Amino acid sequence: AQSVTQPDIHITVSEGASLELRCNYSYGATPYLFWYVQSPGQGLQLLLKYFSGDTLVQGIKGFEAEFKRSQSSFNLRKPSVHWSDAAEYFCALDTDKLIFGTGTRLQVFP
Amino acid sequence: GAVVSQHPSRVICKSGTSVKIECRSLDFQATTMFWYRQFPKKSLMLMATSNEGSKATYEQGVEKDKFLINHASLTLSTLTVTSAHPEDSSFYICSARLPVGTDTQYFGPGTRLTVL
Repeated sequence: AQSVTQPDIHITVSEGASLELRCNYSYGATPYLFWYVQSPGQGLQLLLKYFSGDTLVQGIKGFEAEFKRSQSSFNLRKPSVHWSDAAEYFCALDTDKLIFGTGTRLQVFP
Repeated sequence: GAVVSQHPSRVICKSGTSVKIECRSLDFQATTMFWYRQFPKKSLMLMATSNEGSKATYEQGVEKDKFLINHASLTLSTLTVTSAHPEDSSFYICSARLPVGTDTQYFGPGTRLTVL
């Protein structure tokens, strides 16, 4: 079955701390993977995507994600979080339609 | 590039009325658009895939007669919620896919529908 799992519903970090948001997928073929961010009451903004090639993908706003086939994971990272990063983050798998994880809400304390 | 707009951003209507939501790709032509529904603090649920010039493909459990989708041009898709009821209140988000060479979907800002 095709699915995306984001194990962490809610994460709280201090501003300036590093961040890692977890994402695991289940898919039989080579996955196309995405990370999107959603601010309250807003649509989704694409942070980064993985189609093939280099397994470390750089995105906007200083985010990066690493595709690990052996672990079926595509975790999102940022070395130093800013207060403006507080939002909901969605991992998604494209199987000709997008399958979203349940999201991780990031809270940033000053 | 790849900007998607939605109109209106929020709408309040009475139970029993119909509401139309527009989704436009502003700087590209989208042969395929998608409509999602998002419940509070929940993930996005795909409702239907809209292809220009053909009938939409609805996901299982989505009533096609209640959620009418029209994709009359390469830059516009509309979702009409017919005979709306309070349980239809939700956040509706559309997305559009660039026609060639990428599988990336670009999302609109969403429409908050409240049915009284």
